[in-house]
Amino acid sequence: DAGITQSPRYKITETGRQVTLMCHQTWSHSYMFWYRQDLGHGLRLIYYSAAADITDKGEVPDGYVVSRSKTENFPLTLESATRSQTSVYFCASTAGTSGFNSYEQYFGPGTRLTVT
Amino acid sequence: KQEVTQIPAALSVPEGENLVLNCSFTDSAIYNLQWFRQDPGKGLTSLLLIQSSQREQTSGRLNASLDKSSGRSTLYIAASQPGDSATYLCAVKEYGNKLVFGAGTILRVKS
Repeated sequence: DAGITQSPRYKITETGRQVTLMCHQTWSHSYMFWYRQDLGHGLRLIYYSAAADITDKGEVPDGYVVSRSKTENFPLTLESATRSQTSVYFCASTAGTSGFNSYEQYFGPGTRLTVT
Repeated sequence: KQEVTQIPAALSVPEGENLVLNCSFTDSAIYNLQWFRQDPGKGLTSLLLIQSSQREQTSGRLNASLDKSSGRSTLYIAASQPGDSATYLCAVKEYGNKLVFGAGTILRVKS
């Protein structure tokens, strides 16, 4: 199916474990993003990528690692999960370059991660 | 640092009312503003996008306006229905395609 998908949709892990959240989009959008959504903070940008092999930090990057070897995939890794990383994680993508005003960002369904 | 504020945080109205959701931002150097809808436990659905050079956009019963110089946007929902119940988020796009979100307005439309 076309669109943007995330896996897993739900994940429970223990403190200190490594976890990877997957994001896949079928539109060949150049830009991809990872956000986290927490009560009281709204959505905050973790990392983003302008193209394959180009990534940059967002507002809250500490404790996360990203890679983008292929345009369609943008995995997010928590190297050593902490309870403060319990959150809902959303992946997004857009076709536009940074100078274009008319392109929407499209969001995946989210991954609910609980760190115990 | 860009900050986006949405007022009210929550709103409960009877079916059929027209309503206005407000969004304000501190830095007017934006590329566009996007309104999203989020249903409980779901992802974000884009409702309207207003480019920085535009004043308003309309889609069905929804109308969004943008006053970039004053740092404000409003989302007008006409003839509200119970199916409109959701959280509404506004986000401004900065350089690098990054979105900065408000905390959202939780809307409940009572039948």
